[in-house]
Amino acid sequence: EAGVAQSPRYKIIEKRQSVAFWCNPISGHATLYWYQQILGQGPKLLIQFQNNGVVDDSQLPKDRFSAERLKGVDSTLKIQPAKLEDSAVYLCASSPVTGGTDTQYFGPGTRLTVL
Amino acid sequence: AQSVAQPEDQVNVAEGNPLTVKCTYSVSGNPYLFWYVQYPNRGLQFLLKYITGDNLVKGSYGFEAEFNKSQTSFHLKKPSALVSDSALYFCAVRDWGTGFQKLVFGTGTRLLVSP
Repeated sequence: EAGVAQSPRYKIIEKRQSVAFWCNPISGHATLYWYQQILGQGPKLLIQFQNNGVVDDSQLPKDRFSAERLKGVDSTLKIQPAKLEDSAVYLCASSPVTGGTDTQYFGPGTRLTVL
Repeated sequence: AQSVAQPEDQVNVAEGNPLTVKCTYSVSGNPYLFWYVQYPNRGLQFLLKYITGDNLVKGSYGFEAEFNKSQTSFHLKKPSALVSDSALYFCAVRDWGTGFQKLVFGTGTRLLVSP
């Protein structure tokens, strides 16, 4: 079974530029998550999709971050404009359904450096 | 809100010795607890989870975790450490947020196994 795919793996941009990350979840997984992991910290949930609908974006900085999951499969996360503090690893995860006991499976992440 | 704490930033152990990585939790209701491992430049890999039932949970790569309700702990253990176990370990708890489940992670513990 193929895992969660993410691209690019690394990205370096200047502050105020825009950037986009792509995620393809495990086939058949209804729920998709984007996490931000700042160096030295645990991952923090940014946004959660159930199929193609957003179910939790309470921690997403909506003035600069946006995400979509068209057709309920792959997803993109965008930052515009980027700030220095956005330097982090962005992790995508998926799970079969939004259930209380579901295991989330993570992709390799995209390491973003904002200069 | 649910939370977990990992009191040790780093744990050092010699190869062949038993290892313990500590995690304590704070929840309202029944805790759903998880352990993930992160190798350099990789995403998080699921190790094991506690939902209900036996307090001793067995997981991947020979790891196990002991759920202790009275001490609100969920420590990760392995009887005999390998150098290849050196990685970053995260404890996580299921939180219900806006009505949909999400994971809340600890700050991580770096495990260093010396030859």
